[in-house]
Amino acid sequence: DAKTTQPNSMESNEEEPVHLPCNHSTISGTDYIHWYRQLPSQGPEYVIHGLTSNVNNRMASLAIAEDRKSSTLILHRATLRDAAVYYCIATRIVDGKLTFGQGTILTVHP
Amino acid sequence: DTGVSQNPRHKITKRGQNVTFRCDPISEHNRLYWYRQTLGQGPEFLTYFQNEAQLEKSRLLSDRFSAERPKGSFSTLEIQRTEQGDSAMYLCASSLGTQTYEQYFGPGTRLTVT
Repeated sequence: DAKTTQPNSMESNEEEPVHLPCNHSTISGTDYIHWYRQLPSQGPEYVIHGLTSNVNNRMASLAIAEDRKSSTLILHRATLRDAAVYYCIATRIVDGKLTFGQGTILTVHP
Repeated sequence: DTGVSQNPRHKITKRGQNVTFRCDPISEHNRLYWYRQTLGQGPEFLTYFQNEAQLEKSRLLSDRFSAERPKGSFSTLEIQRTEQGDSAMYLCASSLGTQTYEQYFGPGTRLTVT
């Protein structure tokens, strides 16, 4: 799996958009970009995934750079419940195993 | 609640004892994964099953660790002769099919080895 690099922490205010960056410069052409988040005392939770095109779902949007060496997870309106550790993972679909890094700790202020 | 359950939720054991954890995945999911997470770190992959077949084991998984998934349903993870370094959260996840876009994680079993 390709190595990913994320900022250790980010802060946001409630109801403001949040852009969480991720670098994956060694990503291969068949690696998908996944985002998971982990709330305190819970297991990780799937957020979104993509290959080349930007993706939207009810939780977030994923913007993938044209060269696929970076991506950004966008939370359109942060809530206090979005405070979590966010993990960006580049992985092959074939086996699906996830290689988690340190992630980004997102703090949301009321 | 993701539909994946793990038991027990907490386990305290003395060094040298054997422990076994159970994971019940979402019923129609044919893939099951085990991860381990220590404090302040992201989860680390341990092993995974497709149906009852164990397809890959991480180098992290020493000979003291064994996992099974009889009949492709629930799975057990056993640690023999526990060591203090085994103290961690053990997470189970399941997914549907071979296009494993989304894994559903259980709440984990927290193991403390004293």
